[in-house]
Amino acid sequence: GQNIDQPTEMTATEGAIVQINCTYQTSGFNGLFWYQQHAGEAPTFLSYNVLDGLEEKGRFSSFLSRSKGYSYLLLKELQMKDSASYLCAVRDRTGRRALTFGSGTRLQVQP
Amino acid sequence: DTEVTQTPKHLVMGMTNKKSLKCEQHMGHRAMYWYKQKAKKPPELMFVYSYEKLSINESVPSRFSPECPNSSLLNLHLHALQPEDSALYLCASSQLSGGAVDEQFFGPGTRLTVL
Repeated sequence: GQNIDQPTEMTATEGAIVQINCTYQTSGFNGLFWYQQHAGEAPTFLSYNVLDGLEEKGRFSSFLSRSKGYSYLLLKELQMKDSASYLCAVRDRTGRRALTFGSGTRLQVQP
Repeated sequence: DTEVTQTPKHLVMGMTNKKSLKCEQHMGHRAMYWYKQKAKKPPELMFVYSYEKLSINESVPSRFSPECPNSSLLNLHLHALQPEDSALYLCASSQLSGGAVDEQFFGPGTRLTVL
């Protein structure tokens, strides 16, 4: 089975930096994904980590430590449009290609 | 074409009705997925099709019946649903070949209400 934990809610200020943490316990591991989901919309892919370290993509970066079962998503230069839920999802090793999602972190960006 | 489309956007049905949800992608993806998402909860996997064959059924009740007529289309047939089945039903697809990432692309979903 898989267990994925994220904070339920976070608040940050426009222009600031925010870090959203995700811890996971899985029977196998074949990659960790971060998705953004605005209210009432579909999730959209943000980042993927399968090896330890930092992946940077514009204002978004994601970090993975497999030994610690830990990842974070870093959002820089926050904009109001970044207010959304951020979902951490893990793919197990069985080759199923299926994702198990954490419960998501609702980020509110304030002026 | 880099999107997954779903129809209808909204659906209201009674417990005795039979209806179908449709999903389409033209990205050449060979894996397609159905997820169910309740309000303020994460998506939960229901079914996975790989190369048009059902590869995963997450113990979904038989009142939900998936169908993959071809590599671009995915249907979800609904019959005798319960009010607790009301949710957002998301379709996704992924390439299933080539690179390791194989990220899933999600459609906008069908918001289903069962009366």
